[in-house]
Amino acid sequence: GESVGLHLPTLSVQEGDNSIINCAYSNSASDYFIWYKQESGKGPQFIIDIRSNMDKRQGQRVTVLLNKTVKHLSLQIAATQPGDSAVYFCGDNAGGTSYGKLTFGQGTILTVHP
Amino acid sequence: NAGVTQTPKFQVLKTGQSMTLQCAQDMNHEYMSWYRQDPGMGLRLIHYSVGAGITDQGEVPNGYNVSRSTTEDFPLRLLSAAPSQTSVYFCASSPVVRANTEAFFGQGTRLTVV
Repeated sequence: GESVGLHLPTLSVQEGDNSIINCAYSNSASDYFIWYKQESGKGPQFIIDIRSNMDKRQGQRVTVLLNKTVKHLSLQIAATQPGDSAVYFCGDNAGGTSYGKLTFGQGTILTVHP
Repeated sequence: NAGVTQTPKFQVLKTGQSMTLQCAQDMNHEYMSWYRQDPGMGLRLIHYSVGAGITDQGEVPNGYNVSRSTTEDFPLRLLSAAPSQTSVYFCASSPVVRANTEAFFGQGTRLTVV
């Protein structure tokens, strides 16, 4: 079936570096793509989204890139801080008639070393 | 404004027992949903609701029931607990205008079935 997946399960960076977390998706019908952050012991928290008719969107210290040609999504975090250490999930809204249903990938563990 | 509140935070059940996981939100959100999170499996949608009186199945509904009698509450019932239902359960809510992307998650309920 359709799914959202991640290339790398773990990513370690030094404080101050830029981080890039990658994601592959397979559901071409999705209207929205999303990124969530989950800190240890907490529920996932929305970071940013991008609509399928866009290829780039920027937020505070984060940028999401969407490449529909190769079905690839990435999250860039600028000047990564220790507080960014968490599991990051990409996902989509499953598109079409699945309005309101969010689908998530397996997650990437980001570790930021001071 | 408490957001999404889940109770209990931890629960141990014996195989065959039934129980209800509670979820309440005070943001007047129309959409509510239940996910389970297992290691290496990401978040999987169990059931969701687009408003009071309306519920539908997600990706993994078997063994679970839900009801939505009010906008605020969305309890998840385990009919006859099985070890395969050992997981962390998250409830989430969304305003209808953001239902395709932004969900507000509770802190989770860690359930162990022995």
